Amino acid sequence: EIVLTQSPGTLSLSPGERATLSCRASQSVSSSYLAWYQQKPGQAPRLLIYGASSRATGIPDRFSGSGSGTDFTLTISRLEPEDFAVYFCHQYGSSTYTFGQGTKLEIK
Amino acid sequence: QVQLVESGGGVVQPGRSLRLSCAASGLTFNNYDMYWVRQAPGKGLEWVAVIRYDGGKKNYADSVKGRFTISRDNSKNTLYLQMSSLRAEDTAVYYCARGAPVADYWGQGTLVTVSS
Repeated sequence: EIVLTQSPGTLSLSPGERATLSCRASQSVSSSYLAWYQQKPGQAPRLLIYGASSRATGIPDRFSGSGSGTDFTLTISRLEPEDFAVYFCHQYGSSTYTFGQGTKLEIK
Repeated sequence: QVQLVESGGGVVQPGRSLRLSCAASGLTFNNYDMYWVRQAPGKGLEWVAVIRYDGGKKNYADSVKGRFTISRDNSKNTLYLQMSSLRAEDTAVYYCARGAPVADYWGQGTLVTVSS
């Protein structure tokens, strides 16, 4: 099983700042089958990024994904108030899929 | 638009069984793999199982292997999760999601509580 480790656990920033979230895999993720989700309380996860760097439909361009192999990054270029949430990375390239434990992005 | 609606959750005693359903609409159901993902209260997401578009291949998380069975009825546009030998640690909101192959559309989830 591929273990995904996200860092930091909590990130405290202000609106307008840049956020950088990390996801490290215990082994290489096949074909960059790495996705990022945003989740707000009481809601289902929302797909932001798939294939490591492709934005899902309707996702603002302030969200970007990068990386390959075992190291992946989600960047939010300029935080809006609605971006404060929990973010999960997810690999779907092996026979058993896994999620990272999440990064909570909170308002400073 | 794509809609996924889970049902079948509730309170169940440890060791008992429960079957969840996920009714799909707004998509060509038999073109897509389907996922189950769960989230324990206050915790992160845990992938549970995936089934290929034709039902021919299924994979499970180690935590549920041998106890849970994923299945689908493409004639009814419905996904299922049969859960047996339930444990307290299976308490969670269970989501179904469309796999394209990434899980792009999700239902709102159904809560399963395992408690005596």
